[in-house]
Amino acid sequence: DSGVTQTPKHLITATGQRVTLRCSPRSGDLSVYWYQQSLDQGLQFLIQYYNGEERAKGNILERFSAQQFPDLHSELNLSSLELGDSALYFCASSVGGYGNQPQHFGDGTRLSIL
Amino acid sequence: AQKITQTQPGMFVQEKEAVTLDCTYDTSDPSYGLFWYKQPSSGEMIFLIYQGSYDQQNATEGRYSLNFQKARKSANLVISASQLGDSAMYFCAMREANAGGTSYGKLTFGQGTILTVHP
Repeated sequence: DSGVTQTPKHLITATGQRVTLRCSPRSGDLSVYWYQQSLDQGLQFLIQYYNGEERAKGNILERFSAQQFPDLHSELNLSSLELGDSALYFCASSVGGYGNQPQHFGDGTRLSIL
Repeated sequence: AQKITQTQPGMFVQEKEAVTLDCTYDTSDPSYGLFWYKQPSSGEMIFLIYQGSYDQQNATEGRYSLNFQKARKSANLVISASQLGDSAMYFCAMREANAGGTSYGKLTFGQGTILTVHP
């Protein structure tokens, strides 16, 4: 158990819809990261938050947005969903924003777009 | 160019034998970190081992060790005494210190190697 909690574990929805993925980091971790894992793109970094502020941004689509709340949990919002958004979405957390600290991953949310 | 290259799509090893999973990386940043993660068929990502670019010694964590050859830009994972539970996908990842203001904590992953341990 990594200590990172992601909900829901599975999500099935239709094209054009909007969903929210939730992540609770490990106790004491200030950084939260979001990654997308798909068969064609592999594991791709989406975005990082550190103590409530956006710290780094990857190949995140404009239809996607995220935030980190004062209690440090984070949400990833995906809107106008397309078939290609079907993927496993991981949240990870670490104590700081950089250094030698590993990122600990949650179990992921598997998103299926029908 | 690929930042992280894992050239072995699949590897097979006999139980109790050692196996090496290859990883080469590409960076011009003098400060970087290399990570290995394990992803079992159940899907979760499990951190295994870390090597910093300035570390003088190869990292070890239990049965896992990292064969770090800085000049060759390789960071191969060695698993000793393989167990059936080691069957999984293994990812090599890199974090660069000065990848630009938009890449502060980003991990870049390779495509992974599927390891199968035979009894």
